[in-house]
Amino acid sequence: AQSVSQHNHHVILSEAASLELGCNYSYGGTVNLFWYVQYPGQHLQLLLKYFSGDPLVKGIKGFEAEFIKSKFSFNLRKPSVQWSDTAEYFCAVMGFGTYKYIFGTGTRLKVLA
Amino acid sequence: SAVISQKPSRDICQRGTSLTIQCQVDSQVTMMFWYRQQPGQSLTLIATANQGSEATYESGFVIDKFPISRPNLTFSTLTVSNMSPEDSSIYLCSVHRRLDTEAFFGQGTRLTVV
Repeated sequence: AQSVSQHNHHVILSEAASLELGCNYSYGGTVNLFWYVQYPGQHLQLLLKYFSGDPLVKGIKGFEAEFIKSKFSFNLRKPSVQWSDTAEYFCAVMGFGTYKYIFGTGTRLKVLA
Repeated sequence: SAVISQKPSRDICQRGTSLTIQCQVDSQVTMMFWYRQQPGQSLTLIATANQGSEATYESGFVIDKFPISRPNLTFSTLTVSNMSPEDSSIYLCSVHRRLDTEAFFGQGTRLTVV
């Protein structure tokens, strides 16, 4: 079955703490990988994406993610979070050429000032 | 990027009624999709809105419950028919242009059925 698992549903961190959000997927084929973010009251926005090449990808606002093919994982990281990173984060996969996303359940991150 | 206007942003509806959600894009797009996000769950694809033809529905979703129109390359509607409290969700429009590597999303419609 095709699925995406996000291990943490709620995360609370203090400012300057490091962040790692786990994402594992199950899909029988080539995939493109994404992290989206939804800030309070706003629409989903692309944080970063992986299509091919260097498995360590960098996105906006200091976020990065590493694709580990052997583990079917695409974990999101940020060395030092800010209060403005408070948001919900979604991991997603798209089967190559399908244009259809399979989303994880999301992780609500709250950063305490 | 594509700018997507989705209306209404929220609504409270009586069970048994229907609600039509509109999605307007500021440019022509190749693909338009409708997703649903039920409370505490992930976004789930309802259907692909095809321009000039019937929408393509994902498993578990049917046209009688979620009729979709797409009269042109910038506009689509999703109707939630004969609503029940289980239909209370956020409904999102998503678009994908041919040369884009990722989709863009509307702000969503938060539907509550009472």
